[in-house]
Amino acid sequence: SAVISQKPSRDICQRGTSLTIQCQVDSQVTMMFWYRQQPGQSLTLIATANQGSEATYESGFVIDKFPISRPNLTFSTLTVSNMSPEDSSIYLCSVGDAQGRIDTQYFGPGTRLTVL
Amino acid sequence: GQQVMQIPQYQHVQEGEDFTTYCNSSTTLSNIQWYKQRPGGHPVFLIQLVKSGEVKKQKRLTFQFGEAKKNSSLHITATQTTDVGTYFCAGNSNSGYALNFGKGTSLLVTP
Repeated sequence: SAVISQKPSRDICQRGTSLTIQCQVDSQVTMMFWYRQQPGQSLTLIATANQGSEATYESGFVIDKFPISRPNLTFSTLTVSNMSPEDSSIYLCSVGDAQGRIDTQYFGPGTRLTVL
Repeated sequence: GQQVMQIPQYQHVQEGEDFTTYCNSSTTLSNIQWYKQRPGGHPVFLIQLVKSGEVKKQKRLTFQFGEAKKNSSLHITATQTTDVGTYFCAGNSNSGYALNFGKGTSLLVTP
């Protein structure tokens, strides 16, 4: 399975600011996804990060609030813009199986965000 | 859209007791996956089921996929304290698309 790292691991931010989260994979992967997990809740898909094109957002998530970059097959960023306390959550990137099977996903360690 | 329901939300057992969590989808799934998340950790892939009626075992864990490919279960025999965590099922209707996660079942095992 791929080794996935995320930066930062946690952050405390002020309302109205933005935070960019990085996701780095140790091998090229076709599919990368960004999820949000609010405290004690399940995982909600934010978007699929597409290499070389705009991300595909799920219902309830928009590009202005969560811009995503995917410059190559090993790296992606998620920005949480104009943050409010409701954005406090764990943000996780995941990747499809490194061997090309994209059904199975492997998750990064997550970024724990607190917005004051 | 597709919804994945999971019950129970919480389960507290004594070490050595069995545990089962159930997952139901509103639509037919191409496959279903199970993940475990330890407290403070991230979800870790356990297994994927693809075939109708499929049963897979991993030591004390038994996974089943329903005949209609709309439900699944995870059964743990003789729980241990190391089984503590939240177990999520996740499915997708079209192979290769992102997953829809159930709300998870949080398992607490007391010695």
